[in-house]
Amino acid sequence: DAKTTQPTSMDCAEGRAANLPCNHSTISGNEYVYWYRQIHSQGPQYIIHGLKNNETNEMASLIITEDRKSSTLILPHATLRDTAVYYCIVRVPGGGSNYKLTFGKGTLLTVNP
Amino acid sequence: ETGVTQSPTHLIKTRGQQVTLRCSSQSGHNTVSWYQQALGQGPQFIFQYYREEENGRGNFPPRFSGLQFPNYSSELNVNALELDDSALYLCASSLLETVLDNEQFFGPGTRLTVL
Repeated sequence: DAKTTQPTSMDCAEGRAANLPCNHSTISGNEYVYWYRQIHSQGPQYIIHGLKNNETNEMASLIITEDRKSSTLILPHATLRDTAVYYCIVRVPGGGSNYKLTFGKGTLLTVNP
Repeated sequence: ETGVTQSPTHLIKTRGQQVTLRCSSQSGHNTVSWYQQALGQGPQFIFQYYREEENGRGNFPPRFSGLQFPNYSSELNVNALELDDSALYLCASSLLETVLDNEQFFGPGTRLTVL
């Protein structure tokens, strides 16, 4: 799996959009970009994933650059409950050794009142 | 709530002992993976079970072993515990049917402390 680079920490004001960047310059053509988050003392939670098109769901939007070397997770209206560590992961979906999620240290997002 | 449960919540063992951690997958899921998360680090993949067979393994020694049962619940066994085994152990379940697998649902984890 390709390695990712994320900032160690970010702050965001409550109600504002949180934009979390991720660099994955060595991503392969068949690797997807996944985002998970982990709220303190809980298991990681899936947020969104995509291949090359921008994606949106009820939690967030994922913007992937045209060259696929970087992406941004957008939480449109951050709340205090969005304070968590956010992990950007690139992988080829599938079973066996492809199944694993390779987590880095992620970005600690702190949403301030 | 993901529907994935783990037991126990917390556990304290001493070096050299053996431990069994349990995971109940979300209903209908056929795949479970186990991860180890040391303090301040991201989770590290231990192994995956698909339909009761080990189907992928990370860089962990053989004293880490597992089982998946017909009802798709799962166990992680660790023998000869070492101090460095102290960590949060997470299981994640998924429905693996095609190459494009679905999202993985994590349980809350078991916090293991080895003294």
